[in-house]
Amino acid sequence: DAGITQSPRYKITETGRQVTLMCHQTWSHSYMFWYRQDLGHGLRLIYYSAAADITDKGEVPDGYVVSRSKTENFPLTLESATRSQTSVYFCASSNLLADEQYFGPGTRLTVT
Amino acid sequence: QKEVEQNSGPLSVPEGAIASLNCTYSDRGSQSFFWYRQYSGKSPELIMFIYSNGDKEDGRFTAQLNKASQYVSLLIRDSQPSDSATYLCAVNSSGGGADGLTFGKGTHLIIQP
Repeated sequence: DAGITQSPRYKITETGRQVTLMCHQTWSHSYMFWYRQDLGHGLRLIYYSAAADITDKGEVPDGYVVSRSKTENFPLTLESATRSQTSVYFCASSNLLADEQYFGPGTRLTVT
Repeated sequence: QKEVEQNSGPLSVPEGAIASLNCTYSDRGSQSFFWYRQYSGKSPELIMFIYSNGDKEDGRFTAQLNKASQYVSLLIRDSQPSDSATYLCAVNSSGGGADGLTFGKGTHLIIQP
């Protein structure tokens, strides 16, 4: 089915481990985004991408790495997970940077 | 720093009444405005967008925009228990840049049966 998917949906990892969250969209949207959502902070932009091989930092990029080798995929990597990165992570996509965004189902990440 | 402000609530409204959700924004150059609904444990879902001053209606939902006052609102008529959710206001950032859309923290709406 067309849409935007994320995997895994739930992940528990230990401090210091590397973890990658996957995002895949079938709409051929140019822009893709990674947000984290925490109580009291709302949605905060981590990184975004305008096209394959073009990425840029958002509000809270420290500790995260992204890549976009294909238009439909936008993985987010936590190189050395910390407890402060425990959060719900949402991937989103849109045709334009400031256009309506469509969200994936989210990944709930717990770092112990 | 571009800001989008919403009352966090909870806003409690009896079933069948009109729920009114409000949002103010700081970037006077913003041109696009969005309302998302987020159920607990789920992802945000786009329900309305508005670009021009005035009202835009879609079923039971009406978005209202007043650019002079930097104010956007969402009215939900004939509120149903299924409307209970957190509503996020999102505003585009003028001139592009890394912000894209700026989201408010959301208003928690409770429809009382």
